Amino acid sequence: AQSVTQLGSHVSVSEGALVLLRCNYSSSVPPYLFWYVQYPNQGLQLLLKYTSAATLVKGINGFEAEFKKSETSFHLTKPSAHMSDAAEYFCAVIRNQAGTALIFGKGTTLSVSS
Amino acid sequence: DTGVSQDPRHKITKRGQNVTFRCDPISEHNRLYWYRQTLGQGPEFLTYFQNEAQLEKSRLLSDRFSAERPKGSFSTLEIQRTEQGDSAMYLCASSPDQPTDTQYFGPGTRLTVL
Repeated sequence: AQSVTQLGSHVSVSEGALVLLRCNYSSSVPPYLFWYVQYPNQGLQLLLKYTSAATLVKGINGFEAEFKKSETSFHLTKPSAHMSDAAEYFCAVIRNQAGTALIFGKGTTLSVSS
Repeated sequence: DTGVSQDPRHKITKRGQNVTFRCDPISEHNRLYWYRQTLGQGPEFLTYFQNEAQLEKSRLLSDRFSAERPKGSFSTLEIQRTEQGDSAMYLCASSPDQPTDTQYFGPGTRLTVL
């Protein structure tokens, strides 16, 4: 069964610093992986999606993630944090090969200080 | 494309009352999903529709929960005899057609059971 684990429930960075949010997956089949962002009292917005086309995936707002099969990882990065990046970030995997539900990690809260 | 909409955005009810939530997916999206999100957790899958057919239900969806999508357009989620443990954010998502298509989320309905 597919699952994801997000390492670190809370990450704090300074404005302009590198953002690194960690996600490891478990999947018996080639996974479809996603990163979503959630701002307070809002729904989830897709940042980026891995579908096996390319291992480095670029998303919105300057975020990108690299799929590493050997490490079963799909970490999210951004070279320079902005105050507006403060939010909760979720890594997710499609539940099975037929692709129904998303299975989410517990989330990582990103705080950005000036 | 007006996005996924949900109504109401907030609902406060007393224990034992019935509540109903509505979700309007993105036009022409065949797939519709319901998730529940509690504080500090990622969303958890509840149920999924392909057009008007409810194809999958999670074990989280107890007998007190029922969901419908009568004409393959909007969907309703009803909770009967609410309990304090039902307090959560209920999220709706829709996707076009393929199992691995991106799911687009609505803003959610926050339920508080007193």
